[in-house]
Amino acid sequence: SAVISQKPSRDICQRGTSLTIQCQVDSQVTMMFWYRQQPGQSLTLIATANQGSEATYESGFVIDKFPISRPNLTFSTLTVSNMSPEDSSIYLCSVVAGGDTQYFGPGTRLTVL
Amino acid sequence: KQEVTQIPAALSVPEGENLVLNCSFTDSAIYNLQWFRQDPGKGLTSLLLIQSSQREQTSGRLNASLDKSSGRSTLYIAASQPGDSATYLCAPKAAGNKLTFGGGTRVLVKP
Repeated sequence: SAVISQKPSRDICQRGTSLTIQCQVDSQVTMMFWYRQQPGQSLTLIATANQGSEATYESGFVIDKFPISRPNLTFSTLTVSNMSPEDSSIYLCSVVAGGDTQYFGPGTRLTVL
Repeated sequence: KQEVTQIPAALSVPEGENLVLNCSFTDSAIYNLQWFRQDPGKGLTSLLLIQSSQREQTSGRLNASLDKSSGRSTLYIAASQPGDSATYLCAPKAAGNKLTFGGGTRVLVKP
């Protein structure tokens, strides 16, 4: 299994600013994933982050808006840039560990005013 | 493009009843399918993972079946308890470890 922590757990931000979300895993993993859950919606994959290479973004998500860092095998950050109220969501970090099971962090609840 | 549908969207039952949650997906080329539970404002907790070669998987009161060829999975929860109240999400996994989530079934178990 994997235990994932995220910081911050929640934040309220002003439009036009940026927020960096941190994800820490208790074991080394090859792939880390960032998901977004908009209010009342299900989860959507933003990007896949591999250590030592550029993140791979899903359709509709771009690096300028959601830059990702992956400096080592246990840590990643997601930045939400130039925020607007439409970015208000829960952002979740996820990994695959212990075989094929996917584990999720507790999420970061972002509100943009 | 994979599309995942969960029926019903919401379910309210008295304590002790069995729950049946349905999940259908359009692309049968999956590696596995995972069921998750999400409590309000929280992250996801993995409940069961079924490999594409398996027909079912059990853990305690939970049993999940998979019919890959017809694109269906069902989660059964026996003898429901108020603590089972949550949103249940199914997510088939395709190439690249990519999960596609359904809209979820919101369950309320009344004492």
